[in-house]
Amino acid sequence: KAGVTQTPRYLIKTRGQQVTLSCSPISGHRSVSWYQQTPGQGLQFLFEYFSETQRNKGNFPGRFSGRQFSNSRSEMNVSTLELGDSALYLCASSLGLTKQETQYFGPGTRLLVL
Amino acid sequence: DQQVKQNSPSLSVQEGRISILNCDYTNSMFDYFLWYKKYPAEGPTFLISISSIKDKNEDGRFTVFLNKSAKHLSLHIVPSQPGDSAVYFCAASGYGGATNKLIFGTGTLLAVQP
Repeated sequence: KAGVTQTPRYLIKTRGQQVTLSCSPISGHRSVSWYQQTPGQGLQFLFEYFSETQRNKGNFPGRFSGRQFSNSRSEMNVSTLELGDSALYLCASSLGLTKQETQYFGPGTRLLVL
Repeated sequence: DQQVKQNSPSLSVQEGRISILNCDYTNSMFDYFLWYKKYPAEGPTFLISISSIKDKNEDGRFTVFLNKSAKHLSLHIVPSQPGDSAVYFCAASGYGGATNKLIFGTGTLLAVQP
């Protein structure tokens, strides 16, 4: 079974631009969660999508948004990029049926904002 | 407020010996705990999990212990191997609602010396 895939792997943007990251979950998984990893804040939850609906959201500004498609693929968008948005963005997938499930992570997208 | 804490930023162990990584949590609503291993610029790799109804779970060289009264869990790796050198994160879920939101600790860098 193929794992979680994320594209692109690396991205360089400038302040004020917007960016869209993509995540394809493991086949059969309907829940996709997004996390941000930075040296200062560690791994922080952004949001979770299940069956095309946002099921939970972390404490991030409205510039961070996401969506999920009918095939469970998900995208996250960051508008008006700031220097502090430079981070490793990780997505994770799971079946989404119970709270006690293992989430499997993709390799991440490394975003650098200049 | 850090709900999941890993108080040891780093740990050095000799090959063949036991590695013990510790994690404390504050929220009694957490009912599922996971350990992930992570290399730089890669996504976390799932190692082992434990439900709050258990106090121990084993998988090969990895054993996780949960002490609910102390709100403490630990990961034991026996015997430790150089390939185990990585950052280890504990994570907790079950925090309200039908969601797979994970709260991560800050990580412990394990170095296994040959």
